[in-house]
Amino acid sequence: NAGVTQTPKFQVLKTGQSMTLQCAQDMNHNSMYWYRQDPGMGLRLIYYSASEGTTDKGEVPNGYNVSRLNKREFSLRLESAAPSQTSVYFCASSEKMRLEQYFGPGTRLTVT
Amino acid sequence: GDSVTQMEGPVTLSEEAFLTINCTYTATGYPSLFWYVQYPGEGLQLLLKATKADDKGSNKGFEATYRKETTSFHLEKGSVQVSDSAVYFCALTNQAGTALIFGKGTTLSVSS
Repeated sequence: NAGVTQTPKFQVLKTGQSMTLQCAQDMNHNSMYWYRQDPGMGLRLIYYSASEGTTDKGEVPNGYNVSRLNKREFSLRLESAAPSQTSVYFCASSEKMRLEQYFGPGTRLTVT
Repeated sequence: GDSVTQMEGPVTLSEEAFLTINCTYTATGYPSLFWYVQYPGEGLQLLLKATKADDKGSNKGFEATYRKETTSFHLEKGSVQVSDSAVYFCALTNQAGTALIFGKGTTLSVSS
């Protein structure tokens, strides 16, 4: 049981480049989330997916898009990376909304 | 809107000292409350939770009680160990039940 996995672990991009962060969970959870973590800011929700086939914006969605590919996978795409998107990105999942969330190990992204 | 306020860190303690990390919240309705822990270089792990007023969550010697009258969920441990050194996050479910709202985190450093 791997739980929540994320790829890649580290990534460096130049301003304007695009990339997709991958997330998968093997716990048969319905809900999945993308957060970013910045120093002194805690975690902030970017997008979430309450169930397969649905996605919704969170607190800081600008500059990002998401795809809920199937029940297991939820990807986050940066179409044109900016230095302000330098952060650590965490994917999480939960059986249902309102229940505890399980987090992946994170992706550390640097945009130069 | 809903929010979580944690005590500023870092908190520096000697091994076997008593730990309190304060957490207060503002919320509409009756959120579930959580403490998560993040060890260096890792994702967040659920430490404990409480889903209704007066519930006490406990795990690995840590405890927190859901106090509706004081809107608090303080984390306590009677005797900390060096291995408890980490960042601790208080969180609650938002009013819509769609995501967690996190505090900014409190860094705990325990020395032997």
